[in-house]
Amino acid sequence: GAVVSQHPSRVICKSGTSVKIECRSLDFQATTMFWYRQFPKKSLMLMATSNEGSKATYEQGVEKDKFLINHASLTLSTLTVTSAHPEDSSFYICSAGPGLAGLDEQFFGPGTRLTVL
Amino acid sequence: EDQVTQSPEALRLQEGESSSLNCSYTVSGLRGLFWYRQDPGKGPEFLFTLYSAGEEKEKERLKATLTKKESFLHITAPKPEDSATYLCAVQAFTGNQFYFGTGTSLTVIP
Repeated sequence: GAVVSQHPSRVICKSGTSVKIECRSLDFQATTMFWYRQFPKKSLMLMATSNEGSKATYEQGVEKDKFLINHASLTLSTLTVTSAHPEDSSFYICSAGPGLAGLDEQFFGPGTRLTVL
Repeated sequence: EDQVTQSPEALRLQEGESSSLNCSYTVSGLRGLFWYRQDPGKGPEFLFTLYSAGEEKEKERLKATLTKKESFLHITAPKPEDSATYLCAVQAFTGNQFYFGTGTSLTVIP
């Protein structure tokens, strides 16, 4: 149990385009999901907390208008990187847990490798 | 400020050579400490949750322990397939965010 999927696993896009990444909890409902960014050989950097039915909470320094998060249902959160630039190239990972409001164990998706040319 | 520090940054072990990874933390009210394993190009895989000092959890060759200031991940007689980056994270009572350390990259040589 506690499986989280992400789609796509890898995406290459041109500078200036927008990219949407989906995160789904497959066998549980998640009121809260988290979005992380990871640079090579670095740890996970929390970008935002995605709350079902309400606005996401962004960490300091993360541009809300650039990284749009939508948590439309208890099993799906999406991250849209708008007007992507090469510096947005990174490994994006989401997490979710069956606990209330994101408490307790978090299970991670397999990640999405974004490359912006 | 909540903080997590892992050491060593990298560790190379011979197969069968036991060792420990350290996770030191500073948090305003620890709700839980979590250990994850991450393979290259993949998302972290959940290993353990520890909630209170003195608690221990085991899974195959891994054992996690917790004190009021740090956690250890003990690896007994490691095998090459244990090679991965091991991440530690803490969650405080004041919020639901996870704060991750920078990880320990473990390489087990046959």
